[in-house]
Amino acid sequence: DAKTTQPPSMDCAEGRAANLPCNHSTISGNEYVYWYRQIHSQGPQYIIHGLKNNETNEMASLIITEDRKSSTLILPHATLRDTAVYYCIVRPGGGATNKLIFGTGTLLAVQP
Amino acid sequence: EAGVAQSPRYKIIEKRQSVAFWCNPISGHATLYWYQQILGQGPKLLIQFQNNGVVDDSQLPKDRFSAERLKGVDSTLKIQPAKLEDSAVYLCASSYSRHEIRGKLFFGSGTQLSVL
Repeated sequence: DAKTTQPPSMDCAEGRAANLPCNHSTISGNEYVYWYRQIHSQGPQYIIHGLKNNETNEMASLIITEDRKSSTLILPHATLRDTAVYYCIVRPGGGATNKLIFGTGTLLAVQP
Repeated sequence: EAGVAQSPRYKIIEKRQSVAFWCNPISGHATLYWYQQILGQGPKLLIQFQNNGVVDDSQLPKDRFSAERLKGVDSTLKIQPAKLEDSAVYLCASSYSRHEIRGKLFFGSGTQLSVL
């Protein structure tokens, strides 16, 4: 079962920052937070992941609270192409066999 | 870099028929996954391979679904016989085996199956 809670949908104006929240209050010490997104008719795409420090890459920033019970994915300047379902997933680190379990995600609609 | 290749892109069959899906992962990726995604839901893991061995098939309906990954490269997923509730998108994904980027999966575009 998914171990995260996300709002089912959010809207964002084009050009503005999109802040997508995720609650993972039962996360354990060796579990990473992963974010994926799925654009319509495509497979999911990896965005970013982190353990406890904030992370940034060319796609997004990931802010993890100090107690690690929640996180926020930030798309700094959302475009229409960012309209997608965003999945927040917790996964144990270390083993190659650890599963990536998807929930229902947040549908982000970027409005012109 | 070539991505994960899947075929066919679409398949329509009648219930009780058989169907097979093919996946070619990214070169060098040791781990291969098959996910089922029903409309409106997130992807659900069916089976996970590490090289040519099965790591996890706990969610695979083994009475009708089978999968193999011969020689640890490409893979096929078969359904025999299909039921109406098997209508879904079947996604294949692969990943590196290196520790620091496990969990970073690369997905194909999927095969959309309609069972009538």
